[in-house]
Amino acid sequence: RKEVEQDPGPFNVPEGATVAFNCTYSNSASQSFFWYRQDCRKEPKLLMSVYSSGNEDGRFTAQLNRASQYISLLIRDSKLSDSATYLCVVNQGYGQNFVFGPGTRLSVLP
Amino acid sequence: DTAVSQTPKYLVTQMGNDKSIKCEQNLGHDTMYWYKQDSKKFLKIMFSYNNKELIINETVPNRFSPKSPDKAHLNLHINSLELGDSAVYFCASSHNAGGRETQYFGPGTRLLVL
Repeated sequence: RKEVEQDPGPFNVPEGATVAFNCTYSNSASQSFFWYRQDCRKEPKLLMSVYSSGNEDGRFTAQLNRASQYISLLIRDSKLSDSATYLCVVNQGYGQNFVFGPGTRLSVLP
Repeated sequence: DTAVSQTPKYLVTQMGNDKSIKCEQNLGHDTMYWYKQDSKKFLKIMFSYNNKELIINETVPNRFSPKSPDKAHLNLHINSLELGDSAVYFCASSHNAGGRETQYFGPGTRLLVL
């Protein structure tokens, strides 16, 4: 089993749609969790950290379920500019060991 | 006011050559990293340096050697380049914010080995 797995995608959705991405991780000792977005031919950029209680930033909501080792990202009212690859990232807590998922590609269509 | 910068942005070279990629961060972070993103877009950690000491060394070939002259710089030297080294190499740095390490990436160096 891979350390971090994500929905394979791609997701093609119309503008205004709500879309959800799922991520699972295998190391139960993992301590912190993030969503990054990566545009084509660009570097990954931090979208949001994921907290145990769940957190929201505008149209974006992240949830963490430690018992199921599952992380989600919900995007409401999708914009064309949301088109990107979304990377689930887990810090396994020893040293600064960040493990990236393979990413889920989102295309928001006009 | 670039946070994490890398040079060069593009690098095209012949097999067997030796090349270096430079990285600098002006964020005052203690930890810096090198990642490789291959054609399948998988982002994998190669090295991590904390206060100039190597703390993670994933199983990369010893042709790759990170060098950190100070905590703001982490350079990557590659000997005897091979075709399979073609990839995008990202530098990153991190700090502890609110009890968690948060990473910031440079723009990447696109390496093509011919």
